Amino acid sequence: DGGITQSPKYLFRKEGQNVTLSCEQNLNHDAMYWYRQDPGQGLRLIYYSQIVNDFQKGDIAEGYSVSREKKESFPLTVTSAQKNPTAFYLCASSRTSGHSTDTQYFGPGTRLTVL
Amino acid sequence: GENVGLHLPTLSVQEGDNSIINCAYSNSASDYFIWYKQESGKGPQFIIDIRSNMDKRQGQRVTVLLNKTVKHLSLQIAATQPGDSAVYFCAEMKGGSYIPTFGRGTSLIVHP
Repeated sequence: DGGITQSPKYLFRKEGQNVTLSCEQNLNHDAMYWYRQDPGQGLRLIYYSQIVNDFQKGDIAEGYSVSREKKESFPLTVTSAQKNPTAFYLCASSRTSGHSTDTQYFGPGTRLTVL
Repeated sequence: GENVGLHLPTLSVQEGDNSIINCAYSNSASDYFIWYKQESGKGPQFIIDIRSNMDKRQGQRVTVLLNKTVKHLSLQIAATQPGDSAVYFCAEMKGGSYIPTFGRGTSLIVHP
């Protein structure tokens, strides 16, 4: 998992509640990403950030929000507007976002279950 | 743990055999390819990568082959061990883009 940490490992939420997933990296990477993984499917991009105080929507941003106030941190909030939030959430980072050969390294993931 | 292998293509091998996992990529403009290993309940781990100016790259017990003509990527694992059991997926990246496209993955099961 390199120098990327995600917490908590398991998270339970009641319907209608917002919840924030933590992602921290000490790799001095500029770019950070959030993905959602559902059983039997490839990773789907939620949000990404190239630099501090800037971020862009991915393919499935609806119902999610992010912030990038520090280089090391990229928290993801799953809002009550997300209709099917139960999934495995993965955070990743890469050295830069300006070159296609910058490999993404992943954190250990957070399993979110809506009760 | 997280069952990310549910409904994925599956490859079953005996311990000690060589394994070959295949990936067909979609974009002929892709110029960088990565293989990841994901164990149940964990995040994906980088295994090996290859650029489009190469057709073969070797690591420790792993080899990646790239056939750009048919847009095909393969991962060969020599002397497969039970610890190799996981989901393996490829990712492709296009020059000028920094967002990879991930495949669905293949579940590798190694029988002792």
